[in-house]
Parts: sequence; C-alpha cells; structure tokens
Amino acid sequence: EAGVAQSPRYKIIEKRQSVAFWCNPISGHATLYWYQQILGQGPKLLIQFQNNGVVDDSQLPKDRFSAERLKGVDSTLKIQPAKLEDSAVYLCASSLKVYNEQFFGPGTRLTVL
Amino acid sequence: SQQGEEDPQALSIQEGENATMNCSYKTSINNLQWYRQNSGRGLVHLILIRSNEREKHSGRLRVTLDTSKKSSSLLITASRAADTASYFCAFYSGGSNYKLTFGKGTLLTVNP
Repeated sequence: EAGVAQSPRYKIIEKRQSVAFWCNPISGHATLYWYQQILGQGPKLLIQFQNNGVVDDSQLPKDRFSAERLKGVDSTLKIQPAKLEDSAVYLCASSLKVYNEQFFGPGTRLTVL
Repeated sequence: SQQGEEDPQALSIQEGENATMNCSYKTSINNLQWYRQNSGRGLVHLILIRSNEREKHSGRLRVTLDTSKKSSSLLITASRAADTASYFCAFYSGGSNYKLTFGKGTLLTVNP
C-alpha cells in the first residue's frame, strides 16, 4: 500500500515569509496528524484531525500556524509569518483511528533564515 | 511535563550485542509505542503494548511494560549495523487525551 506522501521535501525561506506544506495520508485512514520535530528532540504534535474535524490543536501556535483537512483526505499546514525558531522537520502521519500505530511521511525540512 | 524520558540518551554497542533502552512516563496510559527513526526510512512504528499487557515480542524486539513503575523497556537482540537509529517511546495518556506524546529518544549506534 502507498505510504504517507508529503511535499515539498525541503524548503528554505526568510523570516516573515509564508510557507505551506501538503500531506496525503494513507487511503482510508481517518486520523491525520502534523508534528514538528526540532533537531535532537522527539516529534511534538501540532494538530490532529479526525476526518474533517480537529481533535487536538492545543500546541499549535495559532497566531502564525493554520491547518486544514480537505474533504477528510489531504491536508495543508501553513506558517505565516515564519520565525527563525520554526526551523524544523514537519512530519505528517496518519492512522486508521486514534490509539492505533501511526504511519509517518518522509517530512519537510524547513529552514528559516 | 508529560513527555516521556528515554534512558540512556545515547548508546554505542558492537554488532551482535544486545541493546536495552528504557522509557519512563508520569501519567496513566492507554498504550505505549516504540518508534525508530533513521535518515533512510524516516520514522517507523516498531511495536505497541497496551496498558494491560506486560511483555510483547516482535522478531528481535522485546518490549516490557511496568505500569506500577510507569516504565517500559525495549530490548533489541543480536543487533546489526542497520539497527543504528534513534528510538523513541510514545504513549497515549488515559482518559479522553487522544494525543500521542513522544520522548526525546535514545540514539543507538551499532558498530560493525
């Protein structure tokens, strides 16, 4: 079965610019997650969707980050405006349902200069 | 913080040796999972153990869970150079918390 797809794989922007990441989960997976992973740390959940609805966005910096999940399938994560501390790998994951194992995409490495 | 804590932070062993990594957490859990991350294959799920289970095996992996001590361990037997990676424990807290919380990870280096 096809895995979780993400694009782009790499992105370099200057601070105060905007950037968007795209994710296509495994077909049939109801739950989709966006994580931020800073070098040397474990992934930190930014937002979790169950179909179209948001389950948890408690750690999403809502003044600059936004996310949506279109028709319960693809998802986009946007940062506007970016800050230096946003430099990280952004991982998308999906699972059949909550509490199950999660399948991760390859991630997008963002560098903010 | 509800983040899990892995121990040790880094581990270096020779091929063929066993590797043991530990994870501690502070809350009650629904289940605990172990993931591996390397540059080649990204972040991959290894094994899931439920709160009512004490031990689970998958190939060369053995996971134990002690809910009274709020700790888990991952044992990799007969390690190979390809096992070189960062290993993370992650857990779902009990109740209505649906967020998977990751630890900081253990960096395992297996020398040929």
